Amino acid sequence: EAGVAQSPRYKIIEKRQSVAFWCNPISGHATLYWYQQILGQGPKLLIQFQNNGVVDDSQLPKDRFSAERLKGVDSTLKIQPAKLEDSAVYLCASSFRGVRTGEAFFGQGTRLTVV
Amino acid sequence: AQSVTQLDSHVSVSEGTPVLLRCNYSSSYSPSLFWYVQHPNKGLQLLLKYTSAATLVKGINGFEAEFKKSETSFHLTKPSAHMSDAAEYFCVVTQNYGGATNKLIFGTGTLLAVQP
Repeated sequence: EAGVAQSPRYKIIEKRQSVAFWCNPISGHATLYWYQQILGQGPKLLIQFQNNGVVDDSQLPKDRFSAERLKGVDSTLKIQPAKLEDSAVYLCASSFRGVRTGEAFFGQGTRLTVV
Repeated sequence: AQSVTQLDSHVSVSEGTPVLLRCNYSSSYSPSLFWYVQHPNKGLQLLLKYTSAATLVKGINGFEAEFKKSETSFHLTKPSAHMSDAAEYFCVVTQNYGGATNKLIFGTGTLLAVQP
């Protein structure tokens, strides 16, 4: 079974530039998550989709971050404009029907460096 | 709101000695709890999960954890550390939205070092 695919693996941009990350979840997984992991911290949920609807985006900085999940499959996360504090690993995860009894599967992440 | 506290940011053990990584949780209802492991430059991997069945949970690679409601703890243990266990470990609790969906709330992580 293919895992969660993310691209790119690494990205370096200058502050105030824009960047986009892509995630392809495991086939059939209805729930998709984007997490931000700053160095030395645990992952923090940015946004959670159930199919193509947003379940939770309470910690997404909506003035600069946006995410979409068209057709309930792939998802993109965009930052525009980027700030230095956005330097982090952005993790995508998916689960079949939510994580209370199941498991979330994580991609390898995209490491963003803003200079 | 649900939360987890990992009591040690770094733990160092010698190969072949026991491992104990401590986690306390806060939840207003019966939680689901997980331990995830993150090796350098690799994705997060589920070690084990507690979902209100047996309180002693066995996971992969010889790890286990015991859910203790009276102590609000979910400590991770392994009888004998191996060099390959060196990684960062996250204790995780779910927050329930009231339906089938939940979100994972991560602790700050414990970095485990294994000395030869």
